[in-house]
Amino acid sequence: SYVLTQPPSVSVAPGKTARITCEGNNIGTKSVHWYQQEPGQAPVLVICHDCDRPSGIPERFSGSSSGNTATLTISRVEAGDEADYYCQVWDSSSDRVVFGGGTKLAVL
Amino acid sequence: EMQLVESGGGLIQPGGSLRLSCVASGFTVSNRNMTWVRQAPGKGLELVSIIYSGGTTYYADSVKGRFTFSRDDSKNTLYLQMNSLRAEDTAVYYCARMSRLRAYFEYWGQGTLVTVSS
Repeated sequence: SYVLTQPPSVSVAPGKTARITCEGNNIGTKSVHWYQQEPGQAPVLVICHDCDRPSGIPERFSGSSSGNTATLTISRVEAGDEADYYCQVWDSSSDRVVFGGGTKLAVL
Repeated sequence: EMQLVESGGGLIQPGGSLRLSCVASGFTVSNRNMTWVRQAPGKGLELVSIIYSGGTTYYADSVKGRFTFSRDDSKNTLYLQMNSLRAEDTAVYYCARMSRLRAYFEYWGQGTLVTVSS
C-alpha cells in the first residue's frame, strides 16, 4: 500500500519560512493536498492541488512537489500558524485515500 | 453558508452499537461524495467510509462489515451506523465533503467523540 511519510515536528522562528515535507513513491505525479489542524479543532484544507486557493487561506501558504517529495511552504510564519499539518493523496493504484502521519509545527 | 454538524458520539461498551449523524446545510448531500474521517486520540487522520453521490459506498478494511454509511435525502443528513465496536474505534469522527475532482476534503464538521471502553 502507498505510504506518505512526514517528519514528526518542524520548528521555525516567527517571520521565517517553514517547510514541511511529505515523502512518497513518485509523489510528484500525484495531486497532493494539505490540511492544518489546530489543537482541539477540525482539520482545515489549506492547499489543494490544481484548484483554487481555499477561502481565507493566505498566500503565505504554498505547495509544491517533485520526484518523491512534496513540500508545504509557509512564508513569514506567525504564531497562529502553530498547528499539525497533514498531507494527503488519492492513490489510484489502490483506489485509496492516503494521509501522511502529520507534522507538528512549532513557532519558537 | 456551508455547514456540517455531527452528533451521536459518546461512551459505549465494547461490542455495542452507536449511530452518528451529520446534518448538512448550504448544499445537497445527495449531489456530493461525503465521507467519515476519524482521528484516534493523539493520532493521525483515517478515512473510514465514503458514500458516493450515486449511493454506492466504500469502507476501510478496519470497519468493513461493522459500519454502515447511509443518508436521508429528505433530511439532508448522513448516518454512520457502528456495530460491534472495539476499543480501537475510539476516536473523533468527522463528517467531511469530498471535492468533485482531485479527491480532497473541502469542508469538515467539528467532529463527535466516540469512546469505546468498559
